[in-house]
Amino acid sequence: GNSVTQMEGPVTLSEEAFLTINCTYTATGYPSLFWYVQYPGEGLQLLLKATKADDKGSNKGFEATYRKETTSFHLEKGSVQVSDSAVYFCALSDLENAGNMLTFGGGTRLMVKP
Amino acid sequence: EPEVTQTPSHQVTQMGQEVILRCVPISNHLYFYWYRQILGQKVEFLVSFYNNEISEKSEIFDDQFSVERPDGSNFTLKIRSTKLEDSAMYFCASSGLQPKSPLHFGNGTRLTVT
Repeated sequence: GNSVTQMEGPVTLSEEAFLTINCTYTATGYPSLFWYVQYPGEGLQLLLKATKADDKGSNKGFEATYRKETTSFHLEKGSVQVSDSAVYFCALSDLENAGNMLTFGGGTRLMVKP
Repeated sequence: EPEVTQTPSHQVTQMGQEVILRCVPISNHLYFYWYRQILGQKVEFLVSFYNNEISEKSEIFDDQFSVERPDGSNFTLKIRSTKLEDSAMYFCASSGLQPKSPLHFGNGTRLTVT
């Protein structure tokens, strides 16, 4: 079956530090890959996505590249801000399942200190 | 930007009681979903719904659970007889018809079973 593994948090960084959150996946087909972010007290928001190998998703300074050879989709940001403090979820969607059902990783809490 | 709305934001109920969690998906979306997140654990898929019927469901979605789209706008999750282990954050989501269409999530309903 499908699965997603993320690095455990919390990740604590100072403002303007470089961020990497690792994500690897196992899937039977050719999944689409996503990063969702959950700010305190809010729901899950789509941060970025990539639908095929070597695609790079990017949004709000965050990037992730779909690496089929290493089955990875690591999230990076060059300079984090306090406002980036949130929980980040890596997820995949296997189109062989009806309706874009998502399989999530466990989430990684990011705390950015001024 | 259109959004998925969920009510209530927090529901407290006694074990054995029935609860109905309500969601208003984005109006032109055709796929609807429920996910849940037990405190400290992964976001887990419960069920997807399309064309007025369940298209996929997980092992969690047993006979105690049901979903309904009673009118053109609401999408509900009913838990017939709640158990302590049903305490979780329940997220509703919706997506468009296009393949690889991303899911849009609501802010969630926190269900506490006492």
